[in-house]
Amino acid sequence: DIQMTQSPSSLSASVGDRVTITCRASQSINNYLNWYQQQPGKAPKALIYAASRLQSGVPSRFSGSGSGTDFTLTISSLQPEDSATYYCQESYTSLTFGGGTKVEIK
Amino acid sequence: EVQLVESGGGLVQPGRSLRLSCTASGFTFGDYAISWVRQAPGKGLEGLGFIKSKPYGGTTGYAASVKDRFTISRDDSKSIAYLQMNSLKTEDTAVYYCTRGDMVRGKIYYGLDVWGQGTTVTVSS
Repeated sequence: DIQMTQSPSSLSASVGDRVTITCRASQSINNYLNWYQQQPGKAPKALIYAASRLQSGVPSRFSGSGSGTDFTLTISSLQPEDSATYYCQESYTSLTFGGGTKVEIK
Repeated sequence: EVQLVESGGGLVQPGRSLRLSCTASGFTFGDYAISWVRQAPGKGLEGLGFIKSKPYGGTTGYAASVKDRFTISRDDSKSIAYLQMNSLKTEDTAVYYCTRGDMVRGKIYYGLDVWGQGTTVTVSS
């Protein structure tokens, strides 16, 4: 199976900060990379598919980039409601998830 | 409203079996792949497997961790997908989610865009 490695595992940032989360695949997955947001006690919510395309209704402060093995999720201006855990996932083979990044607001 | 609803969770003894159901509404079920994802208490998301839509052969794929114990199936006439879990272990205790994925060229391209609310499975003696 493909391994997905996310970093950092957690971060703390202030409202308005630019936040970047990285995700690395153990082999090339082209652009079959998706990002999800999960708030405590809730089901995950899809944010980005195909590495850089926003799901419908997702705020434009979220963006994704990358191809091959290295990908990033960026929140351009962190908002209080962005406090959550974020997961990357490959959909090239068996839908493996990264370990998650917990984002906290200072 | 596009919706997925899981059911069938509960308390089960180690070594026993359990079948979860995922009932869809608000969209053409047969057009989508269905995937199962679980989350153990305090842990991250784990993809368990998927079943493609019939146009893509209805084939299945599984994570190595459950490949020999879990089976995913679907009944498009009822808009229901199933997760059959055999030889359950205490480490299978988790919230189980079903999700849908739209496919392009045989792969889920648009991500898992709809999730159920999850059903809790507890494996304990």
